[in-house]
Amino acid sequence: NAGVMQNPRHLVRRRGQEARLRCSPMKGHSHVYWYRQLPEEGLKFMVYLQKENIIDESGMPKERFSAEFPKEGPSILRIQQVVRGDSAAYFCASSPPGVAGGYEQYFGPGTRLTVT
Amino acid sequence: AQSVTQLGSHVSVSEGALVLLRCNYSSSVPPYLFWYVQYPNQGLQLLLKYTTGATLVKGINGFEAEFKKSETSFHLTKPSAHMSDAAEYFCAVSDPEGANSKLTFGKGITLSVRP
Repeated sequence: NAGVMQNPRHLVRRRGQEARLRCSPMKGHSHVYWYRQLPEEGLKFMVYLQKENIIDESGMPKERFSAEFPKEGPSILRIQQVVRGDSAAYFCASSPPGVAGGYEQYFGPGTRLTVT
Repeated sequence: AQSVTQLGSHVSVSEGALVLLRCNYSSSVPPYLFWYVQYPNQGLQLLLKYTTGATLVKGINGFEAEFKKSETSFHLTKPSAHMSDAAEYFCAVSDPEGANSKLTFGKGITLSVRP
């Protein structure tokens, strides 16, 4: 059973470009979470999605960031017009369907975004 | 709102010594509690979790943690450190009553193990 997959593992973008980060959850998992890890900080929640629905986006910056989890295909975190402050590691996690809260989240290896 | 405090950013122990990593939380209701480990340039791996039941929880790699409601703590311990334990450790909480289970993380503690 493959784990959570993220690609690319490393992404370099120039200021003003767009970044697209992909996440394929574990088989059978229908909940996807995105977290951002800035240097010297812990992980910060960004958004929680289920298939075709955004459940909680309270951690998403109001501008330039968007996320989706379509019926088919991976979840996408999209950052438009990137700035240097967007440089970070972005982690995706997934959990199985069912009662929220008690199920551990399984993390992918992350995408390390560098904005030059 | 929930929060997690991990005092200090770095702990160094000798190989074979006791490992103690502290975690305190703030929450209006007792949360679910988790410890994750992150090795360099990798994702997070679950060490152990507490939801309900026995307050002493055993995890992988010889780690365990005890939930103490009166102290709002969930400290991680291991009797004897191995070199392979060197990594970053994160304590996290989630809301058992909330509509979703997003994790709130502490800032993490880097564990170094001296030969």
